[in-house]
Amino acid sequence: NAGVTQTPKFQVLKTGQSMTLQCAQDMNHEYMSWYRQDPGMGLRLIHYSVGAGITDQGEVPNGYNVSRSTTEDFPLRLLSAAPSQTSVYFCASSRTGSGNEQFFGPGTRLTVL
Amino acid sequence: GDSVTQMEGPVTLSEEAFLTINCTYTATGYPSLFWYVQYPGEGLQLLLKATKADDKGSNKGFEATYRKETTSFHLEKGSVQVSDSAVYFCALSDPPVTGNQFYFGTGTSLTVIP
Repeated sequence: NAGVTQTPKFQVLKTGQSMTLQCAQDMNHEYMSWYRQDPGMGLRLIHYSVGAGITDQGEVPNGYNVSRSTTEDFPLRLLSAAPSQTSVYFCASSRTGSGNEQFFGPGTRLTVL
Repeated sequence: GDSVTQMEGPVTLSEEAFLTINCTYTATGYPSLFWYVQYPGEGLQLLLKATKADDKGSNKGFEATYRKETTSFHLEKGSVQVSDSAVYFCALSDPPVTGNQFYFGTGTSLTVIP
């Protein structure tokens, strides 16, 4: 099993550009989520999904869109990149229900100039 | 709402020293509690977890006990090694109504020197 994969690993964008961060998992997990990690702030939830066709907002959703057309894939779209979106982005997946471990991808380091 | 408060870092210890990283939580229901570890340039990995009060999670010499009376889940290790240098995150998992939403602490950076 590959677990949770993310692409790209690094990305540099100019302000106003759009892009999609890819996330895929091969564990048949219902729950998938996107976090951003910033120094001194831990991980903050952007969006999450409890199954194909179902998504919801987390703590910091502004400027990001998601969709979940399959169980395996959960892409994150930046609509118009801003310097405030410079961060490290992590995708995670798990079975639903409290007590289940979330499995994390290796992360995407994004810089917006 | 639910939240996790974690000991501020960075923490620097000599090899074989005793480690404690404090973690307290606020939750309305009956959360599960986790410690994750992040090595440089990598994603987070589960270190240990506990799903109910008085449970003790343990792995690789690390331990943490779920204390409902003090709403705490402190991480301990009796003798740290250089290879333990990493960032440690305390987290709680909300009850199933939101799928499996996690709340993370801000992380504690640990450096172990030989």
